Amino acid sequence: NAGVTQTPKFRVLKTGQSMTLLCAQDMNHEYMYWYRQDPGMGLRLIHYSVGEGTTAKGEVPDGYNVSRLKKQNFLLGLESAAPSQTSVYFCASSTSSLAGAPETQYFGPGTRLLVL
Amino acid sequence: QKEVEQDPGPLSVPEGAIVSLNCTYSNSAFQYFMWYRQYSRKGPELLMYTYSSGNKEDGRFTAQVDKSSKYISLFIRDSQPSDSATYLCAMKRASNTGKLIFGQGTTLQVKP
Repeated sequence: NAGVTQTPKFRVLKTGQSMTLLCAQDMNHEYMYWYRQDPGMGLRLIHYSVGEGTTAKGEVPDGYNVSRLKKQNFLLGLESAAPSQTSVYFCASSTSSLAGAPETQYFGPGTRLLVL
Repeated sequence: QKEVEQDPGPLSVPEGAIVSLNCTYSNSAFQYFMWYRQYSRKGPELLMYTYSSGNKEDGRFTAQVDKSSKYISLFIRDSQPSDSATYLCAMKRASNTGKLIFGQGTTLQVKP
C-alpha cells in the first residue's frame, strides 16, 4: 500500500516549457487535490476533484490545468511554465465527507519544480 | 488580509518544554480546525482535528479552539527532538467539501 505517490520528484524547466505532474493513489479515495507550497505562504489549493471525470478550481488555478480520467490518478499540467510557478507541489487525496468529521487528506511526498 | 494567519517562527525550545502554536482566522464560517505536521522534505500529515469550539487531547498534544476570539492553539507537552517539524493549521467550512485553508506554518525546533 503505497498511499499517494508523485512523479517526478524534482524537475527543472525553462520558461515557456510545458510539463505534467502525475499523482497516483491506491486508497480508492474519491477526492484528490493539488497544492503548491511557497515560503511564507503555506499550502494553497490549485485545483481539486471530487470524483472521476470532475475537476474544480481552487484558490490559485491560473496557469494550471488538471485532468482526472481515472479515479486513482490526478494530473496537473503547466502549459507554459513561468518563474512564478517555481514551487513545491503536493498532491493529496481523501475519502468523501462523513457526517461529523472532516475528510483526512493524505499527502504525497511532493514535487520540487524550478522554472528558470 | 489572509483568512488564516500563523506566525512562521522559527520557534526553538529545549527538550521537555511546553510548546504553544497558534493561528488566528477571520472567517466565522469555519467549523473544522486541523493541525498538520510536516517533516522536512515530506508531505504534511494530519495530527488532530477539532470541531467547533473546545479542547481535544491526544497524548502529549492538546488542540484548543476559541471561536469567539477566532483563535486556535496547539500545545505540545514534554516536547521531544522528534517533534521538530513545521506545524500547519488548516480550517474548513462544514459545507465546503475538501477545501482546506492553511496557515503559513510554524517551524519548530526542539533542542536535546
